[in-house]
Amino acid sequence: NAGVTQTPKFQVLKTGQSMTLQCAQDMNHNSMYWYRQDPGMGLRLIYYSASEGTTDKGEVPNGYNVSRLNKREFSLRLESAAPSQTSVYFCASSEAREIFGYTFGSGTRLTVV
Amino acid sequence: AQSVTQPDIHITVSEGASLELRCNYSYGATPYLFWYVQSPGQGLQLLLKYFSGDTLVQGIKGFEAEFKRSQSSFNLRKPSVHWSDAAEYFCAVGVTPSGGYQKVTFGTGTKLQVIP
Repeated sequence: NAGVTQTPKFQVLKTGQSMTLQCAQDMNHNSMYWYRQDPGMGLRLIYYSASEGTTDKGEVPNGYNVSRLNKREFSLRLESAAPSQTSVYFCASSEAREIFGYTFGSGTRLTVV
Repeated sequence: AQSVTQPDIHITVSEGASLELRCNYSYGATPYLFWYVQSPGQGLQLLLKYFSGDTLVQGIKGFEAEFKRSQSSFNLRKPSVHWSDAAEYFCAVGVTPSGGYQKVTFGTGTKLQVIP
């Protein structure tokens, strides 16, 4: 089925470890996003890529890096995980004109101990 | 900067009853408005959107929302709730500042419980 695929679905890290969250979309969307979801705080934008070859910081970028590998793939890297990064991470994509709305992946639940 | 408020953290309704979820926004002009639904363990799914025209918009799964400029509101409604509607609902506001990139802000969500 067409959509946004995120891997892994679950991950437990120790403080200081690194990892990369993968995201791929097959809808030929130009824009891709990484959000984190925490209880009572809604979704907060970490980084986005308005088009292939560009990336920009969102609301909460500290501690994260991203790579727009090609039009389909947008990865999120935690270089040195901290307990404050325990969260559910969502990747989303959209047409260049965001007014059409986002298509979300099913999320990665990350726990940092 | 825009903001979104969903005043109800949790709502419980009986199956078959009507539903209204509240959403208020703050922005100087008319923004783009969205409602998303999130089932447990899933990502968010777009229910409906508004950006111009008729202020009553229809979405998927029998939902509708009405934009009221005078009240800065975009409330979500459904005439008869089904048990499968139990989920968390997010209102979102999109604005396009100069520079062209649309900034989307999500509310904190309303969790809907449906009782038999």
